[in-house]
Amino acid sequence: SQQGEEDPQALSIQEGENATMNCSYKTSINNLQWYRQNSGRGLVHLILIRSNEREKHSGRLRVTLDTSKKSSSLLITASRAADTASYFCATGTGTASKLTFGTGTRLQVTL
Amino acid sequence: DAGVTQSPTHLIKTRGQQVTLRCSPKSGHDTVSWYQQALGQGPQFIFQYYEEEERQRGNFPDRFSGHQFPNYSSELNVNALLLGDSALYLCASSTRGTSNEKLFFGSGTQLSVL
Repeated sequence: SQQGEEDPQALSIQEGENATMNCSYKTSINNLQWYRQNSGRGLVHLILIRSNEREKHSGRLRVTLDTSKKSSSLLITASRAADTASYFCATGTGTASKLTFGTGTRLQVTL
Repeated sequence: DAGVTQSPTHLIKTRGQQVTLRCSPKSGHDTVSWYQQALGQGPQFIFQYYEEEERQRGNFPDRFSGHQFPNYSSELNVNALLLGDSALYLCASSTRGTSNEKLFFGSGTQLSVL
């Protein structure tokens, strides 16, 4: 079963605009990660935030984590057509090895 | 430095058949996890292998089994295929110490069961 859900399910913006995706999860976590998937192929790790962190930046990416609300958001600034992909949040718990993925947000960036 | 490689890329089988998927982890990684991704869904954890043993398993039936070899490569076997097994099967590698952090994924095997 999925850990949580992403919102929105689909997002269409123009190049240069910012894109914000939200993720909610159900259980206590050690870390939350965001992955990108192009055209239904392999996933690429974007950024990891630990449960004791509230915000993290990497290039054009900004991730926030609110453990009290069990939610996270991913902001992509100044979007490019190449950012068109599906974005998934994934949570890691305790020392468990597995990641539990959300349902994904499909981002379309048009010229 | 080769990343995670999976073979084959596509596979078509019929119900009741058996299938074997293969994965070679990224250089320097010793842990392999397998995920199933149905169309329009997020990946779901099948199991993880480390030191040639299954270390953790998700909610999948015994028809799904695996193996890890001394060179850390891994196989996923699915017996008695069902239509519902049609999905993208993803292999991810990591190191044991950070096994649920920053997974490296292969491009997947697209399995179609007819």
